[in-house]
Amino acid sequence: GQQVMQIPQYQHVQEGEDFTTYCNSSTTLSNIQWYKQRPGGHPVFLIQLVKSGEVKKQKRLTFQFGEAKKNSSLHITATQTTDVGTYFCAGGESNTGKLIFGQGTTLQVKP
Amino acid sequence: DTAVSQTPKYLVTQMGNDKSIKCEQNLGHDTMYWYKQDSKKFLKIMFSYNNKELIINETVPNRFSPKSPDKAHLNLHINSLELGDSAVYFCASSKPPGLAQYFGPGTRLTVL
Repeated sequence: GQQVMQIPQYQHVQEGEDFTTYCNSSTTLSNIQWYKQRPGGHPVFLIQLVKSGEVKKQKRLTFQFGEAKKNSSLHITATQTTDVGTYFCAGGESNTGKLIFGQGTTLQVKP
Repeated sequence: DTAVSQTPKYLVTQMGNDKSIKCEQNLGHDTMYWYKQDSKKFLKIMFSYNNKELIINETVPNRFSPKSPDKAHLNLHINSLELGDSAVYFCASSKPPGLAQYFGPGTRLTVL
């Protein structure tokens, strides 16, 4: 079946350093979505990318969707302690809306 | 004003019991989902309903039975609970399938 792999599983950074998480799918995706889950919280939608090669920015966060629509990345510039949490990518199936979640990358930021 | 709400927030029960989790959304969305998040934070889709019709039914034990009385509600009933059912269960909703999903606060189920 369709799989979405996400790396790294954990990342510890010093506040102010950059952070990137990568997502790879075994099949072509109709879209990719990114979610953030704070410790003890629930996943919160960040963004959806649909087009091949698409790049979107949200303040210090940059999201990319690969040309083949099989991979994606999330880059955070100059991390802050408020960025702490687990970031999930989720690949979308076009017909059912089913999302296949990656394993998540848990980000810790040392002040 | 909560968009997606779930009850209860915590559920502690004995093996073999039957329990239900309720979910309600006031966003006017057409599609609702149940996810299971295990201790390693892995999120797995279990079921999805679109306008009260089952559209996603993953390979979960048939002890799990969803029910959608209307578009705004999706409940999950679990029979004969097992230790391995311990997890956080999230309800979510989206306008049509495929768009952004809005998650509820989760129900932490502990089976003793």
